[in-house]
Amino acid sequence: NAGVTQTPKFQVLKTGQSMTLQCAQDMNHNSMYWYRQDPGMGLRLIYYSASEGTTDKGEVPNGYNVSRLNKREFSLRLESAAPSQTSVYFCASLGRAGASYEQYFGPGTRLTVT
Amino acid sequence: TQLLEQSPQFLSIQEGENLTVYCNSSSVFSSLQWYRQEPGEGPVLLVTVVTGGEVKKLKRLTFQFGDARKDSSLHITAAQPGDTGLYLCAGERYNFNKFYFGSGTKLNVKP
Repeated sequence: NAGVTQTPKFQVLKTGQSMTLQCAQDMNHNSMYWYRQDPGMGLRLIYYSASEGTTDKGEVPNGYNVSRLNKREFSLRLESAAPSQTSVYFCASLGRAGASYEQYFGPGTRLTVT
Repeated sequence: TQLLEQSPQFLSIQEGENLTVYCNSSSVFSSLQWYRQEPGEGPVLLVTVVTGGEVKKLKRLTFQFGDARKDSSLHITAAQPGDTGLYLCAGERYNFNKFYFGSGTKLNVKP
């Protein structure tokens, strides 16, 4: 049981290049999330998916697109990378924990855009 | 501006001291969670509080949800070096399973 996995772990892009960050979970969770974490900013929600086939914008969606390929996989695409997108990206899925919920996070992708 | 404001941003204390971290907002949340994050890893859930005025204890950690469900606090008694890490609060609004994170409190406990 791997939980939430993310690939790649590290990536360096030049301005204008594109790339897709991959995320998969094996816990049969419906909801999945993409966050970015910058120093002093905590985590900010980019996009989330409440179920297979649905996606919604979060706090900072500009410059990103997402695809919920199936229940397991939720990918984040940067079409034209900018230095402002240098960050650590976390994927998470939401599972039931007693009467409430718990987010399970992947290990993160460290992205640098030069 | 973030929906949840955490304070202090940084805290460096000696082993054995007590500390409190605050998470405040002008908005109401249906639940509030506290996470701890180690360097190079994703956050890990410590606790979820859902009822106004609720107090939960996890060994030396005490979590409280404000009566109006707009704020929360985390109190650590007799801090240990193993408590070192980034502490994040996250609020869920309107039970939509959408979470807003605070900016975090970086705690360093010196032996």
